[in-house]
Amino acid sequence: EVVLTQSPGTLSLSPGERATLSCRASQSVSSSYLAWYQQRPGQAPRLLIYGASIRATGIPDRFSASGSGTDFTLTISRLEPEDFAVYYCQHLGDSPPWTFGQGTKVEV
Amino acid sequence: EVELVESGGGLVQPGGSLRLSCAASGFSVSSHYMSWVRQAPGKGLEWVSLINSAGQTGHADSVKGRFTISRDNSENTLYLQMNSLRIEDTAVYYCARSSGGNPRERHLQRWGQGTLVTVSS
Repeated sequence: EVVLTQSPGTLSLSPGERATLSCRASQSVSSSYLAWYQQRPGQAPRLLIYGASIRATGIPDRFSASGSGTDFTLTISRLEPEDFAVYYCQHLGDSPPWTFGQGTKVEV
Repeated sequence: EVELVESGGGLVQPGGSLRLSCAASGFSVSSHYMSWVRQAPGKGLEWVSLINSAGQTGHADSVKGRFTISRDNSENTLYLQMNSLRIEDTAVYYCARSSGGNPRERHLQRWGQGTLVTVSS
């Protein structure tokens, strides 16, 4: 089972600042099966990134992601008020479980 | 338009059973990976179960042997049968659709709004 560890647990930033979130896998995984989600309070999660670096439909280009092997990064170039939320990475490999990281909260 | 609507949540005693439903519209549940994901109060996301386009299923170790995922293609509905419920199963349960039915399309593209399951005596 792949374990995903996200850091930091909480990121305290201001609107306009840059956010860098990390997701580290316990073993090397295929980039094709690494996704990122955003969850705002009281809402269902929303797909942001799939294939480690491909923005989902409708996602603003201030969101970018990269990585391979065991280390993956989500970057928000300039935080907008609606970006303050919790972010999760997920590995969707050939064998379940499709684990999530524990999440990173981006707060003001 | 793609829509997922969960139902069936509620209050149940420990050891009890519940069946969750996820009514899909705008696509066929049989042509996509479909998953259940849960979120305990104040906690992170936990993947629970999946069913692929071939009907193969997978479950998290925490629910294996107690929960069963299935689908009814004629009703275009996904189900989660939950037996031997425990207090720690208390969570909002989300139904989610993958982008497609191929391995590179597994990412959870669409989510329902969730249904709350509370296990308490």
